[in-house]
Amino acid sequence: SQKIEQNSEALNIQEGKTATLTCNYTNYSPAYLQWYRQDPGRGPVFLLLIRENEKEKRKERLKVTFDTTLKQSLFHITASQPADSATYLCALSPYYGNNRLAFGKGNQVVVIP
Amino acid sequence: DVKVTQSSRYLVKRTGEKVFLECVQDMDHENMFWYRQDPGLGLRLIYFSYDVKMKEKGDIPEGYSVSREKKERFSLILESASTNQTSMYLCAVGVNYGYTFGSGTRLTVV
Repeated sequence: SQKIEQNSEALNIQEGKTATLTCNYTNYSPAYLQWYRQDPGRGPVFLLLIRENEKEKRKERLKVTFDTTLKQSLFHITASQPADSATYLCALSPYYGNNRLAFGKGNQVVVIP
Repeated sequence: DVKVTQSSRYLVKRTGEKVFLECVQDMDHENMFWYRQDPGLGLRLIYFSYDVKMKEKGDIPEGYSVSREKKERFSLILESASTNQTSMYLCAVGVNYGYTFGSGTRLTVV
């Protein structure tokens, strides 16, 4: 069956360090992999998209890698700040179909000042 | 960028009531989605629509229906609210390279 797995345990990290989150998937062949940020009581907000033929993407302090052989994406927040504390969700989408995304359950990050 | 507005942030309804959740976008996107989100279960797709009057069931459509009479508005209907429908409901608009979500409606059924 198809699965998207993110760590269910919160990641507690010291301010200034790099936070790294993992997204593993099974039985998908995604054209795109995306990361979203969600704050408590709010809707997810799109952060970054990486295509299957891209290895790495950066946006400010964020970096995403995509390894289609390992079926894994890593999401890095460098120089983390308390304002980065949130839940981060990965999502996959195919090339064709009805534009449905498949979401992971999310991984919480807590940045400690 | 599209703006997605959900009509209520918090809603309390009684068991058996018919409940309408509204979602409005300010652009002309074809695809609109309704999710519910519960602790430990993540986002689950209820219904989606890819055009006016077009709809498809998602993963958990039971107990829900939808309406899309105009392109900018997608409504989720709980025909007879039950306590197990207490949840955060999220509307999204977009395509397979990115969604924009509304702020969510926290529905409590008592």
